[in-house]
Amino acid sequence: DSGVTQTPKHLITATGQRVTLRCSPRSGDLSVYWYQQSLDQGLQFLIQYYNGEERAKGNILERFSAQQFPDLHSELNLSSLELGDSALYFCASSVQEKSVLYNYGYTFGSGTRLTVV
Amino acid sequence: DAKTTQPNSMESNEEEPVHLPCNHSTISGTDYIHWYRQLPSQGPEYVIHGLTSNVNNRMASLAIAEDRKSSTLILHRATLRDAAVYYCILRLQGGSEKLVFGKGTKLTVNP
Repeated sequence: DSGVTQTPKHLITATGQRVTLRCSPRSGDLSVYWYQQSLDQGLQFLIQYYNGEERAKGNILERFSAQQFPDLHSELNLSSLELGDSALYFCASSVQEKSVLYNYGYTFGSGTRLTVV
Repeated sequence: DAKTTQPNSMESNEEEPVHLPCNHSTISGTDYIHWYRQLPSQGPEYVIHGLTSNVNNRMASLAIAEDRKSSTLILHRATLRDAAVYYCILRLQGGSEKLVFGKGTKLTVNP
C-alpha cells in the first residue's frame, strides 16, 4: 500500500457519460498529480494541484476537469466520454509544490481502470 | 525535455544482478536522472535518482557515466518481485513538475 488511495478501482461506462475518479493523497502530501496511461500513448501527465490550487497543466482535454478539496483529496471529472478515453488513470502525490526543486519522488496510487463501451 | 533511450526488454535470472541501461546523450548540466518502475497492475514507483555521482539505496544502485550521457540502474539480486517496466526519466531542476515517461524497459525475471 503506497498510501495514495484511488477509487473506484474499475469503472465501466458508456460513451457520452460522465464519471468522477477520486484520489486521496498520502498523509502530509499537499500536491496531487493526475496521469493517464493508455496503450498507444503511454503515461501522460494531465494536471497538478497544490493545496487546492491548480499548478500545472499537461495534455488534459477540455472535457476533463479536476479539483482538489480542502481536505486535500482530489477528483478528476471526465465528461462526454469517448471510446478513446479508456485507460488507466493514476493519481500521485508529493509533499512539495515544486518537487522538482527538491528531487522528491512521487508516490503513485494503484489507479482506476476506466473502460468506455 | 531531454530524451532517454532504453532497451524495450531484458531478461534476468532470479538472484542474479541486473544492469538496466539508459542513454541520455542530450542531457543538460542540471538534469537529474530519475528511475521509476511499474509492477504489473500497479502505479509507477520511485526507485532512485542522481546527478553526477553514483547513488545507492535499499532498492537499487545508480551508476552514472562520467560524461553523464548514460546511466545504469543496478538491481544487485533480482527477485521475481522485481519483474516490472523500468523507466529512466530526466528531470530539470526547477523545470516542469510533470514526469515524462518513455516506453521503459520491461524486465522479466526467470525463477
